[in-house]
Amino acid sequence: DAKTTQPPSMDCAEGRAANLPCNHSTISGNEYVYWYRQIHSQGPQYIIHGLKNNETNEMASLIITEDRKSSTLILPHATLRDTAVYYCIGAGSARQLTFGSGTQLTVLP
Amino acid sequence: DVKVTQSSRYLVKRTGEKVFLECVQDMDHENMFWYRQDPGLGLRLIYFSYDVKMKEKGDIPEGYSVSREKKERFSLILESASTNQTSMYLCASASSVAGVYEQYFGPGTRLTVT
Repeated sequence: DAKTTQPPSMDCAEGRAANLPCNHSTISGNEYVYWYRQIHSQGPQYIIHGLKNNETNEMASLIITEDRKSSTLILPHATLRDTAVYYCIGAGSARQLTFGSGTQLTVLP
Repeated sequence: DVKVTQSSRYLVKRTGEKVFLECVQDMDHENMFWYRQDPGLGLRLIYFSYDVKMKEKGDIPEGYSVSREKKERFSLILESASTNQTSMYLCASASSVAGVYEQYFGPGTRLTVT
């Protein structure tokens, strides 16, 4: 299983880019990197995933290093509603879809 | 939009009771999951199912069983509830196109065992 390591907390000013790092140095070649977020009292919400290439969707961008040992989730213009716990997961099968403690992102006004 | 619903938001049960948590999804996903979430421990996988009547243990299956008789419904059963099973329980469903699991979660059931 790809063990992931994330900082426990981060702050970001509203309107600025939020860059959330994740280390996954043991990730295998067929394991995807997934990002989810969980707003208080709700179920987690899928954000984005990637394998090797950088990815972008309407919510965020995912930058994966060339050696695949780390990645960064970028929220380009953070809003107060982006305050949440963000989870990074490395998984190649359903059995590996376990979530760690994540990063508490607080967007400050 | 994918919808995953759970039978209760809050549930209070007594020690020793048999408890059923129900989860229903409306997107014809083949995969369904049960997690529990406790402070400081993230989400831990209890069981998952990749097809009707098929199930696999996750990281913490002890004290739990599951049932999947229909594709849209996945039940978590606590045979004899104990106080250490007090937790938030989250259900998810996902397809697995090209090996990618994009999970959709329900709102959770906060279970208290007294």
